[in-house]
Parts: sequence; structure tokens; C-alpha cells
Amino acid sequence: EAGVTQFPSHSVIEKGQTVTLRCDPISGHDNLYWYRRVMGKEIKFLLHFVKESKQDESGMPNNRFLAERTGGTYSTLKVQPAELEDSGVYFCASSQDFRNSPFEDNEQFFGPGTRLTVL
Amino acid sequence: EDQVTQSPEALRLQEGESSSLNCSYTVSGLRGLFWYRQDPGKGPEFLFTLYSAGEEKEKERLKATLTKKESFLHITAPKPEDSATYLCAVQGNTGFQKLVFGTGTRLLVSP
Repeated sequence: EAGVTQFPSHSVIEKGQTVTLRCDPISGHDNLYWYRRVMGKEIKFLLHFVKESKQDESGMPNNRFLAERTGGTYSTLKVQPAELEDSGVYFCASSQDFRNSPFEDNEQFFGPGTRLTVL
Repeated sequence: EDQVTQSPEALRLQEGESSSLNCSYTVSGLRGLFWYRQDPGKGPEFLFTLYSAGEEKEKERLKATLTKKESFLHITAPKPEDSATYLCAVQGNTGFQKLVFGTGTRLLVSP
């Protein structure tokens, strides 16, 4: 079974430019999450999709970040315009619908991340 | 606000030298506590989920335990391949599924 994939693995852009990150979840996983780790800090939640709907976007830092999941499959996270503080590693994760097995492990499977550097 | 604190920040062990990593947490209502392993340049890899105080889970040389305030990841007779960053995260019982992570413990096991 293929895991969560993310593209690109690395991106270096200049301040003010636009970058789009892509995440392909594990097939059949309705839940898709975006997280971010900035240098020296913990991994922090950005937002959560259930299928194509945003369930929780409480972690999105500001309106320069736009996440979409059209059709409930892959997701994109666009940063426009990018600022220096947006540098970090962006992780995507997916999980099955926990309501199908509420007492089983509800683990989120993570992708390898996209390392974003804003110069 | 949910919070996770991990200690120590870094730990160096000799091969075969057992030890424990600590994860202290505060959460309004715990739905689950998760342990992940992360290797350099990779995403977190799931290890365990613990749901209630007193629960224990084991996998090879790792055993995770849970109390109402903290979790321990015990590593018995570690090998160099156990070197990694170990992350602890909690999921609150609020209906939302986000994970709140600690900063992790970097473990280095020397041969």
C-alpha cells in the first residue's frame, strides 16, 4: 500500500513569491491534515479536511495560506505571498474515518514533508 | 490549551543501556496519546496509541505507558538503529482530530 506522498520535497523561493505544495493521501483515507514545523519548534497543526470539507482550520496562521482538497482526493496548500517566517517543513498526514472503528488505533500517517525555504 | 512537554531534549545511550523518555501533557479531555518516531529527512512514523491511564503497549524493544499526567517510552537494550527523534502527541476529546506535539527527544545509541 502506497503511503502519503508530498511534492515537491524541497522548494526555495524568494520573499513575495507564490508556492504550492501538494499532498496525496493514502487511498481511501477521508481525513487529510496539514502540519508545519518551523526551525527549533514543535510540529504544529494547520488544518484538517474531511473529504473535501474543511473540518478545522484553527491552525492556519493567516490569509496568505490557502488549502484546497477538490474532489476529496489530493490537497494543495498555497502560500501567497511567501514571507521569511513561512520557512519550515510542511507535513501532510491522512487517516481513515475513525467513526468506522472508534476504539481502534486512529493513527495519522505522515508523508515525508516538503522543506520550504523563503529567502 | 492542550500542551505537551518532552524530556530530555536529547539522550545518548550505549548499546544495551536501557532508559526511558518522558512526555508530560495537559489536555482538556484525552482522546489519545500518540508516540511517533522520526528519522532525519523523513516524516513521523507511527508507533503507539494509548487511550487511558494504566494502558501499556509494546513493540520490539519499546514499551509505552500512560498515566493521567504523563507517558513514558521505555527502551530496553537499545540498538544503534533505534537512534531517532521520538515524538509524543495528544489528541483532545473535543471532536476535533488535530494532534498537539511536543518538541521531541533526540536519541542516539552508540555501538
